[in-house]
Amino acid sequence: AQRVTQPEKLLSVFKGAPVELKCNYSYSGSPELFWYVQYSRQRLQLLLRHISRESIKGFTADLNKGETSFHLKKPFAQEEDSAMYYCVESNAGGTSYGKLTFGQGTILTVHP
Amino acid sequence: DTGVSQDPRHKITKRGQNVTFRCDPISEHNRLYWYRQTLGQGPEFLTYFQNEAQLEKSRLLSDRFSAERPKGSFSTLEIQRTEQGDSAMYLCASSLIWGQRGNEQFFGPGTRLTVL
Repeated sequence: AQRVTQPEKLLSVFKGAPVELKCNYSYSGSPELFWYVQYSRQRLQLLLRHISRESIKGFTADLNKGETSFHLKKPFAQEEDSAMYYCVESNAGGTSYGKLTFGQGTILTVHP
Repeated sequence: DTGVSQDPRHKITKRGQNVTFRCDPISEHNRLYWYRQTLGQGPEFLTYFQNEAQLEKSRLLSDRFSAERPKGSFSTLEIQRTEQGDSAMYLCASSLIWGQRGNEQFFGPGTRLTVL
């Protein structure tokens, strides 16, 4: 079964510090990987996807197939980045194509 | 269209009662998904529809759970004979057919179920 591991349940940094949220996945094929974010009192929403190789709100994530990792990084954290972050994997094909597997989530708190 | 909506937002019920939740997806989305989230965990997949066809069900979806999407628009999730272990947030999401426009699922606000 697919597994997505986020080893840190809580992560605290100060404003302006670099932040890295770790994620490891288990799918041996060619997974599709995403980071979803949930801000306080808001619904779950997509932050970024690996296939787009984009930077959203200053966040980037690089897929490392050798280490089966997809860590989320931002060089200078802002207070408004405080939220719950989920690393998410989707099957790349077959009948389960599009089914999302979530990690347990990391609560990021950025202190002023 | 204001996004995915779910009703009710909160439901408190007694053990053994039946409950039904509704999800209205974004209108042009073919796919509709149900997830369950318990405290301290990420959402877990329950089932999904492509138009009106239910294509996959998780093993988490016991016989007491049933989901429908009769006209390929809104969906309902029914739990019969609720148990305390059913207490969770039930999330609905919708998307275009996977592979189109970047594979993004749009989530509703969730229905929080408490079984006493």
